[in-house]
Amino acid sequence: EVQLVESGGGLVQPGRSLRLSCTASGFTFGDYAMSWVRQAPGKGLEWVGFIRSKAYGGTTEYAASVKGRFTISRDDSKSIAYLQMNSLKTEDTAVYYCTSLGVVVPAAMDVWGKGTTVTVSS
Amino acid sequence: SSELTQDPAVSVALGQTVRITCQGDSLRSYYASWYQQKPGQAPVLVIYGKNNRPSGIPDRFSGSSSGNTASLTITGAQAEDEADYYCNSRDSSGNHGVFGGGTKLTVL
Repeated sequence: EVQLVESGGGLVQPGRSLRLSCTASGFTFGDYAMSWVRQAPGKGLEWVGFIRSKAYGGTTEYAASVKGRFTISRDDSKSIAYLQMNSLKTEDTAVYYCTSLGVVVPAAMDVWGKGTTVTVSS
Repeated sequence: SSELTQDPAVSVALGQTVRITCQGDSLRSYYASWYQQKPGQAPVLVIYGKNNRPSGIPDRFSGSSSGNTASLTITGAQAEDEADYYCNSRDSSGNHGVFGGGTKLTVL
């Protein structure tokens, strides 16, 4: 069974950093791109960014709202994707979801984790 | 433009057909995917590509596209279909993802 589990969320002060992890199982992690999506309280889904597989250079893309502050990386040996969040703002408060891209079906965010909550507040 | 526009809310009588739309310039070049989200749960993919359903998604869900508009149709809506629905595609660059604002579906 394909499964994604996010961890690392919590309460953090504005300006501080936090790293989220997404642990994958049930598929060959290194063969697929992975993405992050967030949802602020009571709001819609917002695409945060994604990381390509090593076969496609392992490069990353980010939403304008997080570019320069957030970094996505991956450790294929551990089947983990990371979201490093620096210079956090109150507006980064959200549930953060990790998704796979194209594992079960082509070209879509097909499997989602249950999410981890990040609260940025003083 | 990197925006996708959805109606905030739509309602449908039980057993009737409802269409949820998503508009955006990038939809002229890229297919939309559709996600269902129920309160307190992670989104679930219901439609991808031209008109494809992942395993386990009922065949009352279908997708279509014309010009700059993608549509999700539920034929014979059930009470359990009441949820928020989001469209997703790429922006005009093709490198960034983008979501519509979401449509809250109420089944009467």
